[in-house]
Amino acid sequence: GAGVSQSPSNKVTEKGKDVELRCDPISGHTALYWYRQSLGQGLEFLIYFQGNSAPDKSGLPSDRFSAERTGGSVSTLTIQRTQQEDSAVYLCASSLSPALTEGYTFGSGTRLTVV
Amino acid sequence: DAKTTQPPSMDCAEGRAANLPCNHSTISGNEYVYWYRQIHSQGPQYIIHGLKNNETNEMASLIITEDRKSSTLILPHATLRDTAVYYCIVRVAGSNTGKLIFGQGTTLQVKP
Repeated sequence: GAGVSQSPSNKVTEKGKDVELRCDPISGHTALYWYRQSLGQGLEFLIYFQGNSAPDKSGLPSDRFSAERTGGSVSTLTIQRTQQEDSAVYLCASSLSPALTEGYTFGSGTRLTVV
Repeated sequence: DAKTTQPPSMDCAEGRAANLPCNHSTISGNEYVYWYRQIHSQGPQYIIHGLKNNETNEMASLIITEDRKSSTLILPHATLRDTAVYYCIVRVAGSNTGKLIFGQGTTLQVKP
């Protein structure tokens, strides 16, 4: 596709349930990033994938959060046993190279609401 | 942590120039200044970047002071669609360290 695609666009889940958020990056982009944005807050880095290298998981807030990227393309962010504080917009971005700072393309995000 | 300081909010009249300041007093010689913006309900979008010379593209101009400790993003004729959060980021060009760190940004409100 022409841009970064995220699904679902909105997700409402009950506290304690697991959720999976999907990111489809721009074809050929080797770098993929997940960010979280709580209401009225800035972007919080979560995790970064680059090619076949081990992902940078330094931003994951707890072990309930995990992500994978299969085949160097689609990525899934999983949140287990969701809590109300997990409510936020989850943004995915991809870039041709992490060195190309001007080349980050973001998706429109998944708005997660935990009730 | 973000290495930049921006005012939390600014207003601008439609049709006038919007001048958004950014302080980056600890910037290193090989770090560039990048600007992104985030329109409501969308992901951030790249605007412009520069090292030490002033830069201009179809979206904006970037003025960097001679000592490189601060810069100003200029939207020459702001429209209502320019209402957004504007992020100033400093980063080494060609850095392979991955993640882009966003600060709190400046919320620009363009008013009719």
